[in-house]
Amino acid sequence: QQQVKQSPQSLIVQKGGISIINCAYENTAFDYFPWYQQFPGKGPALLIAIRPDVSEKKEGRFTISFNKSAKQFSLHIMDSQPGDSATYFCAAFFGNEKLTFGTGTRLTIIP
Amino acid sequence: NAGVTQTPKFQVLKTGQSMTLQCAQDMNHNSMYWYRQDPGMGLRLIYYSASEGTTDKGEVPNGYNVSRLNKREFSLRLESAAPSQTSVYFCASSEGQAQAYGYTFGSGTRLTVV
Repeated sequence: QQQVKQSPQSLIVQKGGISIINCAYENTAFDYFPWYQQFPGKGPALLIAIRPDVSEKKEGRFTISFNKSAKQFSLHIMDSQPGDSATYFCAAFFGNEKLTFGTGTRLTIIP
Repeated sequence: NAGVTQTPKFQVLKTGQSMTLQCAQDMNHNSMYWYRQDPGMGLRLIYYSASEGTTDKGEVPNGYNVSRLNKREFSLRLESAAPSQTSVYFCASSEGQAQAYGYTFGSGTRLTVV
């Protein structure tokens, strides 16, 4: 069962634009929401994460926005650069369970 | 500082053949995981090991077996490969099940079953 739904599947953004990837979850027990970044031929790597007691977390050009009542969270990449081209996965986690991943978004930044 | 090392990086198998994917971590992590990645499906958990000596099924365990050889090594075995097992396989480790932010992934094994 898909407990974390991610959209869009692919995204093309012009250099300097804002990239937005959305995720929705079903299990209200989830209490930790990381985003992973994966470059071609590499494994995913932790990018940024948020807990549901805050509505936003920013690290450089990357921001997570979290809406607990709507059970949604999103990744915003400001001033998108060609080096940001990668596949992005949202994920969710609670207690002693394992990470549940979204289906991934392939982001392409064009000059 | 190698992190998580997977071997081999690429493999082609014929239907019915068997093979073992190897994974080793040098971070003294307790928990290790095997995921498969397929287009449009994201990362799906095959098996995991919360600690040395324990293993448990994940979301898609059928057709696979695992062995937690010691704290460092966690192998994935395909006893009789099928074309449906064509995928990219990732091994990951973390300090503990509760330490989700500590997941470290290897670079993957691209497996093709013909």
